[in-house]
Amino acid sequence: ELKVEQNPLFLSMQEGKNYTIYCNYSTTSDRLYWYRQDPGKSLESLFVLLSNGAVKQEGRLMASLDTKARLSTLHITAAVHDLSATYFCAVLTDSNYQLIWGAGTKLIIKP
Amino acid sequence: DGGITQSPKYLFRKEGQNVTLSCEQNLNHDAMYWYRQDPGQGLRLIYYSQIVNDFQKGDIAEGYSVSREKKESFPLTVTSAQKNPTAFYLCASRPQGAFSGANVLTFGAGSRLTVL
Repeated sequence: ELKVEQNPLFLSMQEGKNYTIYCNYSTTSDRLYWYRQDPGKSLESLFVLLSNGAVKQEGRLMASLDTKARLSTLHITAAVHDLSATYFCAVLTDSNYQLIWGAGTKLIIKP
Repeated sequence: DGGITQSPKYLFRKEGQNVTLSCEQNLNHDAMYWYRQDPGQGLRLIYYSQIVNDFQKGDIAEGYSVSREKKESFPLTVTSAQKNPTAFYLCASRPQGAFSGANVLTFGAGSRLTVL
Protein backbone atom coordinates (compact mmCIF):
# COMPACT_ATOMS: atom_id res chain seq x y z
CA GLU A 1 0.00 0.00 0.00
CA LEU A 2 1.37 3.35 -1.04
CA LYS A 3 1.74 5.85 1.79
CA VAL A 4 2.75 9.47 1.46
CA GLU A 5 4.21 11.45 4.34
CA GLN A 6 4.86 15.15 4.42
CA ASN A 7 6.92 17.04 6.92
CA PRO A 8 6.66 19.31 8.58
CA LEU A 9 2.88 19.44 8.85
CA PHE A 10 3.01 22.99 10.12
CA LEU A 11 5.59 25.65 9.44
CA SER A 12 5.69 29.23 10.60
CA MET A 13 8.46 31.34 9.18
CA GLN A 14 9.55 34.89 8.65
CA GLU A 15 9.52 36.67 5.34
CA GLY A 16 12.82 36.51 3.56
CA LYS A 17 13.84 33.11 4.95
CA ASN A 18 14.38 29.89 3.05
CA TYR A 19 12.84 26.57 3.92
CA THR A 20 12.10 23.12 2.52
CA ILE A 21 9.03 20.89 2.71
CA TYR A 22 9.62 17.15 2.34
CA CYS A 23 7.40 14.51 0.78
CA ASN A 24 8.34 10.85 1.29
CA TYR A 25 6.49 7.94 -0.24
CA SER A 26 6.64 4.26 0.46
CA THR A 27 6.59 2.41 -2.87
CA THR A 28 7.87 2.93 -6.38
CA SER A 29 6.35 5.76 -8.33
CA ASP A 30 7.74 8.12 -10.93
CA ARG A 31 5.03 10.75 -10.94
CA LEU A 32 4.58 13.28 -8.20
CA TYR A 33 2.41 16.36 -7.99
CA TRP A 34 2.46 19.45 -5.80
CA TYR A 35 -0.69 21.45 -5.14
CA ARG A 36 -1.45 24.59 -3.20
CA GLN A 37 -4.63 25.25 -1.21
CA ASP A 38 -5.65 28.59 0.30
CA PRO A 39 -7.96 28.42 3.35
CA GLY A 40 -11.45 27.24 2.42
CA LYS A 41 -10.54 27.18 -1.25
CA SER A 42 -9.87 24.65 -3.95
CA LEU A 43 -6.53 23.11 -4.87
CA GLU A 44 -4.29 24.64 -7.50
CA SER A 45 -1.72 22.61 -9.40
CA LEU A 46 1.83 23.86 -8.87
CA PHE A 47 4.25 21.30 -10.25
CA VAL A 48 4.24 17.95 -12.01
CA LEU A 49 7.41 15.88 -11.62
CA LEU A 50 7.58 12.99 -14.05
CA SER A 51 11.03 11.46 -13.75
CA ASN A 52 13.97 10.94 -11.48
CA GLY A 53 15.97 14.12 -11.10
CA ALA A 54 13.16 16.34 -12.35
CA VAL A 55 13.32 19.90 -11.13
CA LYS A 56 10.68 22.55 -11.69
CA GLN A 57 10.75 26.18 -10.60
CA GLU A 58 8.14 28.89 -10.49
CA GLY A 59 9.02 32.15 -8.82
CA ARG A 60 10.19 31.49 -5.26
CA LEU A 61 9.17 27.82 -5.33
CA MET A 62 11.29 24.97 -6.62
CA ALA A 63 10.31 21.30 -6.58
CA SER A 64 12.51 18.28 -7.17
CA LEU A 65 12.08 14.52 -7.32
CA ASP A 66 14.44 11.70 -6.35
CA THR A 67 12.67 8.46 -7.23
CA LYS A 68 15.46 6.31 -5.83
CA ALA A 69 15.12 7.92 -2.42
CA ARG A 70 11.33 8.16 -2.87
CA LEU A 71 11.55 11.79 -1.91
CA SER A 72 10.37 15.08 -3.28
CA THR A 73 11.20 18.48 -1.89
CA LEU A 74 9.49 21.84 -2.25
CA HIS A 75 11.95 24.62 -1.56
CA ILE A 76 10.87 28.14 -0.74
CA THR A 77 13.35 30.91 -1.37
CA ALA A 78 13.08 34.32 0.34
CA ALA A 79 9.53 33.65 1.47
CA VAL A 80 6.84 36.29 1.09
CA HIS A 81 3.47 36.51 2.83
CA ASP A 82 1.56 35.59 -0.35
CA LEU A 83 3.02 32.10 -0.20
CA SER A 84 1.09 31.36 2.98
CA ALA A 85 -1.09 28.34 2.17
CA THR A 86 -1.28 24.60 2.65
CA TYR A 87 0.89 22.60 0.26
CA PHE A 88 0.07 19.04 -0.69
CA CYS A 89 2.09 16.43 -2.51
CA ALA A 90 0.39 13.54 -4.26
CA VAL A 91 1.93 10.41 -5.72
CA LEU A 92 0.56 8.33 -8.57
CA THR A 93 -0.11 4.67 -7.87
CA ASP A 94 0.91 2.06 -10.42
CA SER A 95 -2.64 0.81 -10.77
CA ASN A 96 -6.02 2.46 -11.21
CA TYR A 97 -4.56 5.83 -12.16
CA GLN A 98 -5.12 7.12 -8.63
CA LEU A 99 -3.25 9.68 -6.59
CA ILE A 100 -2.35 9.16 -2.94
CA TRP A 101 -2.13 12.41 -1.02
CA GLY A 102 0.06 13.62 1.78
CA ALA A 103 -1.57 15.27 4.80
CA GLY A 104 -0.43 18.71 3.71
CA THR A 105 1.97 21.28 5.11
CA LYS A 106 0.37 24.42 6.46
CA LEU A 107 2.77 27.26 5.81
CA ILE A 108 2.40 30.60 7.56
CA ILE A 109 4.77 33.38 6.55
CA LYS A 110 4.92 36.32 8.90
CA PRO A 111 5.90 39.81 7.79
CA ASP B 1 -14.15 30.07 -19.06
CA GLY B 2 -13.91 26.34 -18.56
CA GLY B 3 -14.03 24.95 -15.10
CA ILE B 4 -15.74 22.89 -12.45
CA THR B 5 -18.77 24.16 -10.59
CA GLN B 6 -19.69 22.66 -7.26
CA SER B 7 -22.89 23.47 -5.42
CA PRO B 8 -23.94 24.24 -2.83
CA LYS B 9 -20.88 25.83 -1.29
CA TYR B 10 -22.23 25.29 2.22
CA LEU B 11 -24.77 22.69 3.27
CA PHE B 12 -26.26 21.76 6.60
CA ARG B 13 -27.86 18.40 7.15
CA LYS B 14 -29.77 16.85 9.96
CA GLU B 15 -28.82 13.37 11.02
CA GLY B 16 -30.66 10.73 9.03
CA GLN B 17 -31.03 12.84 5.90
CA ASN B 18 -29.53 12.16 2.51
CA VAL B 19 -27.98 15.10 0.69
CA THR B 20 -26.68 15.46 -2.85
CA LEU B 21 -23.68 17.57 -3.85
CA SER B 22 -23.56 18.76 -7.42
CA CYS B 23 -20.46 18.76 -9.64
CA GLU B 24 -20.60 20.07 -13.21
CA GLN B 25 -17.66 20.56 -15.56
CA ASN B 26 -17.40 22.17 -19.00
CA LEU B 27 -13.81 21.11 -19.63
CA ASN B 28 -14.81 18.14 -21.79
CA HIS B 29 -12.95 15.90 -19.35
CA ASP B 30 -13.68 12.20 -19.32
CA ALA B 31 -12.61 11.37 -15.78
CA MET B 32 -14.23 12.81 -12.67
CA TYR B 33 -13.44 12.32 -8.99
CA TRP B 34 -14.88 13.00 -5.55
CA TYR B 35 -12.55 13.57 -2.63
CA ARG B 36 -13.20 14.15 1.04
CA GLN B 37 -10.96 16.47 3.03
CA ASP B 38 -10.84 16.54 6.83
CA PRO B 39 -8.77 18.99 8.88
CA GLY B 40 -5.12 18.07 8.98
CA GLN B 41 -5.52 15.22 6.53
CA GLY B 42 -4.83 14.65 2.91
CA LEU B 43 -7.53 14.10 0.35
CA ARG B 44 -9.23 10.73 0.41
CA LEU B 45 -10.88 9.32 -2.68
CA ILE B 46 -14.58 8.51 -2.42
CA TYR B 47 -15.54 7.58 -5.99
CA TYR B 48 -14.22 8.14 -9.46
CA SER B 49 -15.54 7.73 -12.96
CA GLN B 50 -13.49 7.39 -16.13
CA ILE B 51 -16.41 7.26 -18.52
CA VAL B 52 -20.13 7.90 -18.65
CA ASN B 53 -22.28 5.24 -16.97
CA ASP B 54 -19.29 3.74 -15.18
CA PHE B 55 -17.72 4.51 -11.81
CA GLN B 56 -15.51 2.84 -9.23
CA LYS B 57 -15.30 2.96 -5.47
CA GLY B 58 -12.39 4.75 -3.90
CA ASP B 59 -10.91 4.18 -0.48
CA ILE B 60 -13.86 5.51 1.56
CA ALA B 61 -16.98 4.81 -0.53
CA GLU B 62 -19.13 3.46 2.30
CA GLY B 63 -22.12 5.72 2.97
CA TYR B 64 -21.80 7.52 -0.37
CA SER B 65 -23.29 7.00 -3.83
CA VAL B 66 -22.71 8.56 -7.23
CA SER B 67 -24.06 8.52 -10.76
CA ARG B 68 -22.54 9.45 -14.12
CA GLU B 69 -25.37 9.80 -16.60
CA LYS B 70 -23.75 12.69 -18.46
CA LYS B 71 -20.13 13.46 -19.21
CA GLU B 72 -20.45 16.88 -17.61
CA SER B 73 -22.05 15.82 -14.35
CA PHE B 74 -20.97 13.66 -11.41
CA PRO B 75 -23.25 14.20 -8.39
CA LEU B 76 -22.39 12.75 -4.99
CA THR B 77 -25.06 11.65 -2.52
CA VAL B 78 -24.10 11.49 1.13
CA THR B 79 -26.47 8.98 2.65
CA SER B 80 -27.62 8.53 6.23
CA ALA B 81 -25.33 5.49 6.36
CA GLN B 82 -22.29 7.76 6.40
CA LYS B 83 -21.57 8.01 10.11
CA ASN B 84 -19.37 11.08 10.10
CA PRO B 85 -20.21 13.15 7.02
CA THR B 86 -19.08 16.58 8.24
CA ALA B 87 -16.22 17.47 5.91
CA PHE B 88 -15.10 19.50 2.91
CA TYR B 89 -15.89 17.74 -0.37
CA LEU B 90 -13.92 18.37 -3.53
CA CYS B 91 -14.81 17.37 -7.05
CA ALA B 92 -12.09 17.09 -9.67
CA SER B 93 -11.75 16.13 -13.30
CA ARG B 94 -9.08 15.42 -15.89
CA PRO B 95 -8.79 14.30 -19.51
CA GLN B 96 -8.88 10.66 -20.52
CA GLY B 97 -5.80 8.52 -20.20
CA ALA B 98 -2.85 8.32 -17.88
CA PHE B 99 -1.74 11.07 -15.59
CA SER B 100 1.00 13.12 -17.23
CA GLY B 101 2.47 16.58 -17.28
CA ALA B 102 -0.54 17.94 -19.09
CA ASN B 103 -3.07 15.49 -17.71
CA VAL B 104 -3.54 16.70 -14.14
CA LEU B 105 -6.50 17.05 -11.83
CA THR B 106 -8.51 20.27 -11.98
CA PHE B 107 -10.53 20.93 -8.84
CA GLY B 108 -13.80 22.64 -8.09
CA ALA B 109 -14.15 25.17 -5.27
CA GLY B 110 -15.55 22.58 -2.87
CA SER B 111 -18.67 22.03 -0.79
CA ARG B 112 -18.62 22.17 2.99
CA LEU B 113 -21.13 19.82 4.60
CA THR B 114 -22.02 20.15 8.27
CA VAL B 115 -24.25 17.70 10.11
CA LEU B 116 -26.29 19.30 12.85
